[in-house]
Amino acid sequence: ETGVTQTPRHLVMGMTNKKSLKCEQHLGHNAMYWYKQSAKKPLELMFVYNFKEQTENNSVPSRFSPECPNSSHLFLHLHTLQPEDSALYLCASSQDVLGAKNIQYFGAGTRLSVL
Amino acid sequence: DAKTTQPPSMDCAEGRAANLPCNHSTISGNEYVYWYRQIHSQGPQYIIHGLKNNETNEMASLIITEDRKSSTLILPHATLRDTAVYYCIPNAGNNRKLIWGLGTSLAVNP
Repeated sequence: ETGVTQTPRHLVMGMTNKKSLKCEQHLGHNAMYWYKQSAKKPLELMFVYNFKEQTENNSVPSRFSPECPNSSHLFLHLHTLQPEDSALYLCASSQDVLGAKNIQYFGAGTRLSVL
Repeated sequence: DAKTTQPPSMDCAEGRAANLPCNHSTISGNEYVYWYRQIHSQGPQYIIHGLKNNETNEMASLIITEDRKSSTLILPHATLRDTAVYYCIPNAGNNRKLIWGLGTSLAVNP
């Protein structure tokens, strides 16, 4: 148990569906992250939130829409996805985004399949 | 952005020390070296990090060369549960530079 909970663990959706991934951290951290991990590829950082403000958007397509209502919750809203978006989506949190305090705690991930 | 080079795979006998190397020759002065591991089908797990000095915690030891161009993660007594992919990541706190490579797949054998 890492203190970061992701739901659902598995999701299958069609290309016209709208769904949301949820992440909750119980660590009192200020920063939260979304990553994408495709098969045989490195983790790709998608979004970073620090104190509820988005600080990074690494050229992610607009069909992925993040939301951070407070420091403990992070959502990833999905709509009109493509089959190549099938991947493991990981959420992480850290105390801070500074180098010395950037220990990231990860959830177990959501395995997404787009049909 | 600092790039890393890690061997794609390594083997280690159970009970022996596992020494995982990482080359980060382009690391900048303010970048910490972080190590994580990812056990199959789970999220990555933090192991240890350091800037200049060697570090040790309950999981592992981190040896950083004096020129900071490379480091070695040491698991002193590897167990079967240490079988995982190990990632070495320079991190200055600017998340645009947080580049995850493919890591080293460590297999601990009985």
